[in-house]
Amino acid sequence: EVQLVESGGGLVQPGGSLRLSCTASGFTFSGTWMQWVRRPPGRGLVWVSMISPDGGGTDYAGSVKGRFTISRDNAKNTLFLQMNNVGPDDTAVYYCTKDGGWSRFEHWGQGARVTVSS
Amino acid sequence: DIVMTQSPLSLSVTPGQPASISCKSSRSLLHSNGHTFLHWYLQKPGQSPQLLIYEVSNRFSGVPDRFSGSGSGTDFTLKISRVEAEDVGVYYCMEGSSQPIAFGQGTRLDIK
Repeated sequence: EVQLVESGGGLVQPGGSLRLSCTASGFTFSGTWMQWVRRPPGRGLVWVSMISPDGGGTDYAGSVKGRFTISRDNAKNTLFLQMNNVGPDDTAVYYCTKDGGWSRFEHWGQGARVTVSS
Repeated sequence: DIVMTQSPLSLSVTPGQPASISCKSSRSLLHSNGHTFLHWYLQKPGQSPQLLIYEVSNRFSGVPDRFSGSGSGTDFTLKISRVEAEDVGVYYCMEGSSQPIAFGQGTRLDIK
């Protein structure tokens, strides 16, 4: 059974940093594209970032480029999202997703809530 | 950037009745490889989103056959043949090959 378990969410001050983790099981993590999607409160889903199976290819939404970094540790079946210089617009539930090809998000984690507030 | 526009943004349906959601893209979604990477997701209250339909018309594993997808080019539709109480939530279309990846605004379905 595929499982994606996010951790690392919480309250962070504007300008601060946070690192989200997503531990995967039940599939060949090292062979799978992975992505992050977020849902701000009261709004719809927003794509954040993607990473290739070997970690060599990444892409970001314009709103987070230069501030967020996606990475992975295939030995530990773990996906990361390093969030720096966060602002109120980064407040959201962040979902880790398993990409079945062409952003077919077949499985989603339970979500990690991030709140940016002073 | 591609823009995905859904309509209606909300609908209220009597159980057993059909429902339809439209999704229009700002440019054709036909990829050069001949595929169209238009997917539909549902986020039920208190749950993570789930994949319903991929590549326009393919139901994901375990999705009831009352859900169907159709369309081509820039116009796509998700249909529920007979709405059930468990279908409440927010439905999203999404284009999976563009950069950046684009979601529609979401359509909230509730039960009358």
